[in-house]
Amino acid sequence: DSGVTQTPKHLITATGQRVTLRCSPRSGDLSVYWYQQSLDQGLQFLIQYYNGEERAKGNILERFSAQQFPDLHSELNLSSLELGDSALYFCASSAKTGGSGEQYFGPGTRLTVT
Amino acid sequence: GENVEQHPSTLSVQEGDSAVIKCTYSDSASNYFPWYKQELGKGPQLIIDIRSNVGEKKDQRIAVTLNKTAKHFSLHITETQPEDSAVYFCAAIREPGGFKTIFGAGTRLFVKA
Repeated sequence: DSGVTQTPKHLITATGQRVTLRCSPRSGDLSVYWYQQSLDQGLQFLIQYYNGEERAKGNILERFSAQQFPDLHSELNLSSLELGDSALYFCASSAKTGGSGEQYFGPGTRLTVT
Repeated sequence: GENVEQHPSTLSVQEGDSAVIKCTYSDSASNYFPWYKQELGKGPQLIIDIRSNVGEKKDQRIAVTLNKTAKHFSLHITETQPEDSAVYFCAAIREPGGFKTIFGAGTRLFVKA
């Protein structure tokens, strides 16, 4: 158990809808990362937050947005969903102190868009 | 842009044999290189890492080597066991901050009993 929690575990929704994925980092970790993993694909970095502020952006679509709250949990919002958005979405956390790059992953949210 | 190339994409070995997975990175500012193991239905798990001031690091049956000049690093698993079967990902990261995390495409390792 990495200490990172993600909810929900599974999500099934229709095209055009909007969903919110939630992540709670390990206790004390300041950074949260979001990744997308499509079937048999690698991990695509979406976005990173550090102590409430956006720090780095990867291949995140404009239909997607994220934020990190004062209690350090993070939410990833996906809107106008398309079939191709079906994937596993992982959250990772890091950096208790010192800006370490060591990332600890949650169990993921499996999103199915029908 | 920056990328990390990982080879092979699939690797099948006999139990007890060694397995080697190689990664090459392009961002010369990367200074932290972790390896993750992902089992079916689970999130990636950090198994070993190396920082650019070290050439090699071992942890029991697992070792990682880094050649900073050539910008490549490798994962070595000795005496493989069926439970080593999983997908392995390498990554290249800038520290501090963990910015610009780039993962390799993954290697699916099969260990045959």
